[in-house]
Amino acid sequence: AQTVTQSQPEMSVQEAETVTLSCTYDTSESDYYLFWYKQPPSRQMILVIRQEAYKQQNATENRFSVNFQKAAKSFSLKISDSQLGDAAMYFCAYEGAQKLVFGQGTRLTINP
Amino acid sequence: ETGVTQTPRHLVMGMTNKKSLKCEQHLGHNAMYWYKQSAKKPLELMFVYSLEERVENNSVPSRFSPECPNSSHLFLHLHTLQPEDSALYLCASSQDGTGLGELFFGEGSRLTVL
Repeated sequence: AQTVTQSQPEMSVQEAETVTLSCTYDTSESDYYLFWYKQPPSRQMILVIRQEAYKQQNATENRFSVNFQKAAKSFSLKISDSQLGDAAMYFCAYEGAQKLVFGQGTRLTINP
Repeated sequence: ETGVTQTPRHLVMGMTNKKSLKCEQHLGHNAMYWYKQSAKKPLELMFVYSLEERVENNSVPSRFSPECPNSSHLFLHLHTLQPEDSALYLCASSQDGTGLGELFFGEGSRLTVL
């Protein structure tokens, strides 16, 4: 079965700085999708960014980008120019032939 | 209206009570999901409905009973729960049941079992 591991339960960053959240996964599949979801306090979880495994180019969405290392099964999220509104739980997720599997989450705090 | 709406937002119940959680999506999606979110644990998929048919039941105890009367509504009926069932229950929807597209989540129902 696929597993997703987020080794950082909590992270903090100064406002306007850059932070990287780590995610590793385990799979024997070659075709799959990877996601980062954001869950602000008491608000809905939303998709931040998506990466197709067959694409070598790292996905980017404004201040959010990923470093996808397929051979290493690593999928980190970089947040540039951190803003107070970025404070949230961040979940890495994997989907292959079966259901979406989530990591344990990383709580990100932004220090003003 | 938000895309996925869950009610109630908070629920406290005793172990002998019967209650229901409701989810409604206004996105025209064909698939709906129930997830359980507990502290310091990954989200646990409980049930998946695609076109109103249950396509996945992730070994969930029978004290949780889902119902999907149509593609826009999803219920989770709760009966004789245990304190360890206290958690945030998230509803989500997607265009289809593969989940390869984006999941749209509700804000969740915070359940406390006394």
